[in-house]
Amino acid sequence: DSGVTQTPKHLITATGQRVTLRCSPRSGDLSVYWYQQSLDQGLQFLIQYYNGEERAKGNILERFSAQQFPDLHSELNLSSLELGDSALYFCASSVGGGTYTQYFGPGTRLTVL
Amino acid sequence: AQKITQTQPGMFVQEKEAVTLDCTYDTSDQSYGLFWYKQPSSGEMIFLIYQGSYDEQNATEGRYSLNFQKARKSANLVISASQLGDSAMYFCAMREGSGGSNYKLTFGKGTLLTVNP
Repeated sequence: DSGVTQTPKHLITATGQRVTLRCSPRSGDLSVYWYQQSLDQGLQFLIQYYNGEERAKGNILERFSAQQFPDLHSELNLSSLELGDSALYFCASSVGGGTYTQYFGPGTRLTVL
Repeated sequence: AQKITQTQPGMFVQEKEAVTLDCTYDTSDQSYGLFWYKQPSSGEMIFLIYQGSYDEQNATEGRYSLNFQKARKSANLVISASQLGDSAMYFCAMREGSGGSNYKLTFGKGTLLTVNP
């Protein structure tokens, strides 16, 4: 158990819908990262937050957005869902935004029908 | 060009034997970090081992060791005394840079390791 929690574990929804994925980092970690794992793209970085502020953006679609709240939990919002958004979404956390190891949560498996 | 290359899509090893999973990387940064993660069939990503670019000694964590050859830009994972529970997908990842604020990990495509009894 990495100490990072993600809910829900599984999510099944329809095209065009909007969902919210939630992540709670390890106690004491200030930085949260979101990654997407799909069969065709592999593991890809989406976005990073550090102590409530966005720090870096990767291959994140405009339909996707995220935020980190004052209690440091983070939410990833996916809207206008398409079949291709079906993937495993991971949240990871680290103590800082620098040279620290990122510990991953168990992931949320999103299926868009 | 791919930043992380794992050339072995699949590997087989007998229980109790050692196995090496290959990883080569490409970066122009002087400061970077290399990681290995394990992903069992249940899906979670488990951190195994870390090597910093300035670390002079190869990293070790229990049965895992990282064979770091900086000049060749390789960071192979060695698992000693393989166990059935080691069967999983293994990912090599790199974090570049020591300044700025983007510390994303770039992952390879992974190697599926199967340990045979």
